[in-house]
Amino acid sequence: EAAVTQSPRNKVAVTGGKVTLSCNQTNNHNNMYWYRQDTGHGLRLIHYSYGAGSTEKGDIPDGYKASRPSQENFSLILELATPSQTSVYFCASGDAWGQDTQYFGPGTRLLVL
Amino acid sequence: GEQVEQLPSILRVQEGSSASINCTYENSASNYFPWYKQEPGENPKLIIDIRSNMERKQTQGLIVLLDKKAKRFSLHITDTQPGDSAMYFCAASAYGQGKLIFGQGTKLSIKP
Repeated sequence: EAAVTQSPRNKVAVTGGKVTLSCNQTNNHNNMYWYRQDTGHGLRLIHYSYGAGSTEKGDIPDGYKASRPSQENFSLILELATPSQTSVYFCASGDAWGQDTQYFGPGTRLLVL
Repeated sequence: GEQVEQLPSILRVQEGSSASINCTYENSASNYFPWYKQEPGENPKLIIDIRSNMERKQTQGLIVLLDKKAKRFSLHITDTQPGDSAMYFCAASAYGQGKLIFGQGTKLSIKP
């Protein structure tokens, strides 16, 4: 089974602080994704990447930046965290330009106070 | 438009009966439709998918139907068991889009 790991698994941050969520995949997939999951909204795409050095805006990119320094790593950065960014964040990897299985990491639970 | 609407948001069925979840999509270029299951505290996992060259697909008690004219697809779980209790998400993708658009999710509960 494809392996996607996330760190940290839980994070408490203060309003206005900087938060970096990290994701690593060992599947050699070209595509990686960051989602947030909130009750009533399902999984919403924040940023995604087609490969090292590329980042694309998803459906809700405001307040977030992303970085893909290598095939394996994809980071989500909250430069100025706000309480509205309290959520569960999932990273996923996949291939075939989104037209095949996406493998999700275990999730990061972020609380912004 | 790119939205995917999923209904119902909550579904409770008796053990042994069938459960059905419906999704509609807006982008007529969509050609890939996966379904993900998420158990409490876990990550979503693919359980079945269908591509636009098919109208029906079945695997291990799961049936997916696709109606391209109506831009509608559905998941049917036959002979439900307690292990089927979970959140279910439908999604859609168009060729070259590079991403999935997810529905809002259905919380399925199986009553013993």
